[in-house]
Amino acid sequence: DGGITQSPKYLFRKEGQNVTLSCEQNLNHDAMYWYRQDPGQGLRLIYYSQIVNDFQKGDIAEGYSVSREKKESFPLTVTSAQKNPTAFYLCASSIGRLNTEAFFGQGTRLTVV
Amino acid sequence: GDSVTQMEGPVTLSEEAFLTINCTYTATGYPSLFWYVQYPGEGLQLLLKATKADDKGSNKGFEATYRKETTSFHLEKGSVQVSDSAVYFCALTGTASKLTFGTGTRLQVTL
Repeated sequence: DGGITQSPKYLFRKEGQNVTLSCEQNLNHDAMYWYRQDPGQGLRLIYYSQIVNDFQKGDIAEGYSVSREKKESFPLTVTSAQKNPTAFYLCASSIGRLNTEAFFGQGTRLTVV
Repeated sequence: GDSVTQMEGPVTLSEEAFLTINCTYTATGYPSLFWYVQYPGEGLQLLLKATKADDKGSNKGFEATYRKETTSFHLEKGSVQVSDSAVYFCALTGTASKLTFGTGTRLQVTL
């Protein structure tokens, strides 16, 4: 089955610790994205990558870092510099051309205590 | 920059009622427009899309028409079901090929 896999579904961390969220896709998509979703708010773009070894900051990149060493993988690290990291994180991918839709993973709910 | 504005929720309807969720956008050029649906605790699924003016996207009884003159892409369904209860997001892709989302509208359908 083709799709996007995010793991884990739930993640708990202590304040001050870095944590890495996994995102893997087997759709052969060039573009990948990370979004953050907070209750009652829309999706805000953290980082996106349109090609391997290249990525751009989105609207709320501060306190996050990413890498894109392989086409299939786009891990997101939530660093201790992120002031309010507790949220629902969604990864997506697309062909990367105009007019094409994105496909989403099931999300990771991160809770920092 | 690009932006999407959706009507505030929650929208509460009785089963078989008519649904409209308003969506307007601001974008340069000729964006593609999308409606996504999110069920509790899950990611987003594409519901329908339209890629040029006057296109109508449709799926599962939902419809939306790309209106360039009013910069709108309102979602409609003639008869909602309890199973349609979810959060609906309007979105667009502009010149940067990245999705910009509205804030989402929660729909609750009751018997």
